[in-house]
Amino acid sequence: EDQVTQSPEALRLQEGESSSLNCSYTVSGLRGLFWYRQDPGKGPEFLFTLYSAGEEKEKERLKATLTKKESFLHITAPKPEDSATYLCAVQAGDSNYQLIWGAGTKLIIKP
Amino acid sequence: NAGVTQTPKFQVLKTGQSMTLQCAQDMNHNSMYWYRQDPGMGLRLIYYSASEGTTDKGEVPNGYNVSRLNKREFSLRLESAAPSQTSVYFCASSLQGIGSPLHFGNGTRLTVT
Repeated sequence: EDQVTQSPEALRLQEGESSSLNCSYTVSGLRGLFWYRQDPGKGPEFLFTLYSAGEEKEKERLKATLTKKESFLHITAPKPEDSATYLCAVQAGDSNYQLIWGAGTKLIIKP
Repeated sequence: NAGVTQTPKFQVLKTGQSMTLQCAQDMNHNSMYWYRQDPGMGLRLIYYSASEGTTDKGEVPNGYNVSRLNKREFSLRLESAAPSQTSVYFCASSLQGIGSPLHFGNGTRLTVT
């Protein structure tokens, strides 16, 4: 069964303390892995798409990487405004319209 | 640019009542989606519309119906609400399929008592 698992469920960091979020997947035929950010009371907002192992994407303090089994979202010197829930989703197999979503990691950055 | 607009933002229903959630996008996107989000679970696809005039079932379609009214609008109907349908509902759109980024509305928080 295709599955996406995110860890940890929640992560509390001090401002400036770098860390990584994990998204592991077991799917047949990965076609793309997506990262989204979700603020409380809002819909998810697109961050990155990764297509193949070894690929990396960066945006401000965020860098996403991909291996054959997992993806990491690295957060460097985070600020309180980086606090949000980060969602990972995978497109696999023949589907052009269905993503498999992880449950998310809630990130809290304390000033 | 409004993006994806959902109404209402909050709704409380009694078991057995019906309602329609409205969604409109102004980005000229072809594909639209309805998801539900429950605590501790990933987003689950209810229905999607690949393009104007077509709709298809997603992962959890039971108890729901949809209408793609035109290219801009995609509505979700609960004919007889049940407590298990208490959730946050998100509408999303994309240029074409999930290979292009999804743009989400801000959700409808539905409680069924």
